[in-house]
Amino acid sequence: GDSVTQMEGPVTLSEEAFLTINCTYTATGYPSLFWYVQYPGEGLQLLLKATKADDKGSNKGFEATYRKETTSFHLEKGSVQVSDSAVYFCALRGSGRGSTLGRLYFGRGTQLTVWP
Amino acid sequence: ETGVTQSPTHLIKTRGQQVTLRCSSQSGHNTVSWYQQALGQGPEFLTYFQNEAQLEKSRLLSDRFSAERPKGSFSTLEIQRTEQGDSAMYLCASSLGGPSYNEQFFGPGTRLTVL
Repeated sequence: GDSVTQMEGPVTLSEEAFLTINCTYTATGYPSLFWYVQYPGEGLQLLLKATKADDKGSNKGFEATYRKETTSFHLEKGSVQVSDSAVYFCALRGSGRGSTLGRLYFGRGTQLTVWP
Repeated sequence: ETGVTQSPTHLIKTRGQQVTLRCSSQSGHNTVSWYQQALGQGPEFLTYFQNEAQLEKSRLLSDRFSAERPKGSFSTLEIQRTEQGDSAMYLCASSLGGPSYNEQFFGPGTRLTVL
């Protein structure tokens, strides 16, 4: 079945460091891929998305490229800030038989802490 | 525009009790999904509604769980005979359904603790 495997945390970085959080997926067909972020005390928010191979999603300095050949969707940011401290979730929506628009498969989440 | 709201924020129950969680979807949205998020884990899908119709249920949704979305913008998730394993954050998400995917907007969640 469809699933997402996400890099385990926690990840601790100094401000302005480069961030990569790895995410790989298993799915039939052509899933859509997402990164969600959960700031302390808040609900999940969509950070970025990509709906087909080679698409690059970007938002707030974060980027992720949908790589079908490696079944990956790694999240990157060139220079993190203290305000980026949060939990990041990789997710997919399947396109195979039986998939519905309302079902997302999430990774376990990666806690990011950025120190000044 | 009001976002997705959930109530209550926190709930503490004794094993065997019944709980009802409530979700109000964002204005104009016609779909609702429910997820269960155990501590330190990612959200796990429970069920999905488009308008009043329940289109998908996960195998996680045991017979003790039931959900509905009567006409209007709210949905409820009811858990009968709660067990300690039901302790989790319950998330509701809504979107504008249609032929192509539209972003799911999540509520703040209800944290359920079963003693």
